[in-house]
Amino acid sequence: DTGVSQDPRHKITKRGQNVTFRCDPISEHNRLYWYRQTLGQGPEFLTYFQNEAQLEKSRLLSDRFSAERPKGSFSTLEIQRTEQGDSAMYLCASSQGGGSAGYEQYFGPGTRLTVT
Amino acid sequence: GNSVTQMEGPVTLSEEAFLTINCTYTATGYPSLFWYVQYPGEGLQLLLKATKADDKGSNKGFEATYRKETTSFHLEKGSVQVSDSAVYFCALSDSNSGYALNFGKGTSLLVTP
Repeated sequence: DTGVSQDPRHKITKRGQNVTFRCDPISEHNRLYWYRQTLGQGPEFLTYFQNEAQLEKSRLLSDRFSAERPKGSFSTLEIQRTEQGDSAMYLCASSQGGGSAGYEQYFGPGTRLTVT
Repeated sequence: GNSVTQMEGPVTLSEEAFLTINCTYTATGYPSLFWYVQYPGEGLQLLLKATKADDKGSNKGFEATYRKETTSFHLEKGSVQVSDSAVYFCALSDSNSGYALNFGKGTSLLVTP
């Protein structure tokens, strides 16, 4: 068990460019969550997957944001036409599934996005 | 909707002092409550949790009790160490949005020798 990994750790891009981040969850975890954290704030939920199914996406910040988890393993988060306001830390977390709030979510180190 | 409010930081304490970080929540259902910690340069990690009213979560000398009557989950430690310096986040989850976590803004703690 190597934990949740995210790639890249840092991304600098120019406004208007598209960016894609990858998250590899803990292998036996079937739930995967994406959050965004801005400076001085707690993480903000964006979307989650149960296996390959994206079960909640209404909290994605705009239609420029999309996420996939094609084979129920790794996930990608894409931001199209980036804006300076997208600069933030993007966090991925995974957990075992099931109908309980008690399952711990394990967080990755995050991808820090800077839009210039 | 659900929300979490925690005390503003930064909190600065001397080593061996008593720590309390206040956290209150608003929720429509019966959430589970969590404290996560972020040490400098590291990712978020779970510190403790409580899944129902009157439960006490504890870990590494930290404790928090789920108080439904006051909708609170205050974090306490009897004697802090320099190594406890970190940002602490209170969070809740319930069946909405697949048990996604709803975080407070975080409280920065600095413990001085």
